Amino acid sequence: AQSVTQLGSHVSVSEGALVLLRCNYSSSVPPYLFWYVQYPNQGLQLLLKYTSAATLVKGINGFEAEFKKSETSFHLTKPSAHMSDAAEYFCAVSRNQGGKLIFGQGTELSVKP
Amino acid sequence: GAVVSQHPSRVICKSGTSVKIECRSLDFQATTMFWYRQFPKKSLMLMATSNEGSKATYEQGVEKDKFLINHASLTLSTLTVTSAHPEDSSFYICSASGGRAGVTDTQYFGPGTRLTVL
Repeated sequence: AQSVTQLGSHVSVSEGALVLLRCNYSSSVPPYLFWYVQYPNQGLQLLLKYTSAATLVKGINGFEAEFKKSETSFHLTKPSAHMSDAAEYFCAVSRNQGGKLIFGQGTELSVKP
Repeated sequence: GAVVSQHPSRVICKSGTSVKIECRSLDFQATTMFWYRQFPKKSLMLMATSNEGSKATYEQGVEKDKFLINHASLTLSTLTVTSAHPEDSSFYICSASGGRAGVTDTQYFGPGTRLTVL
């Protein structure tokens, strides 16, 4: 069975500071991993995805994530937070292409001026 | 990119009525569509998976007679909440994955529909 754990339901950073959102997964097969962002009352927007190519994945809005098999992690980072980054972030895992997603609990990112 | 739309964006209905929500893939053929439900401050709960032309596969605990899903074409899936009750009030989100490069391995999400049952 697959599962996803996001450490920290809420993360607060200052504008310009490093953003680090943690995601650990468990999967019995090589996983497909995703980060999505959700703004209030909206659907989910894909930030980036890992599909067994490069382990360091670059996404939109300056975000990137690194797949570390030994640590079963796929943490999301951004060097410098912007006020517009404040949102809910979801990590998700799938066992096959375009298949069912298992979501983490979500992490709410707040950015202080 | 891959764009998914939902209609309506919000709907208010009386208890006992039925509500239909549409999910469309605008620029790709969606071989698979998914329906999720999201409660406030919570993650997404998968309700069902539908493949075009096939019956939907419902997750455990989801009443298939209450949440009717139809995936009639490669660009349209509908979710009908039958005999809605206040406890069905929620944010419903669809997603789609499909048959062209860059889309087959990813779910693209619609903007969601806020259902309020009075």
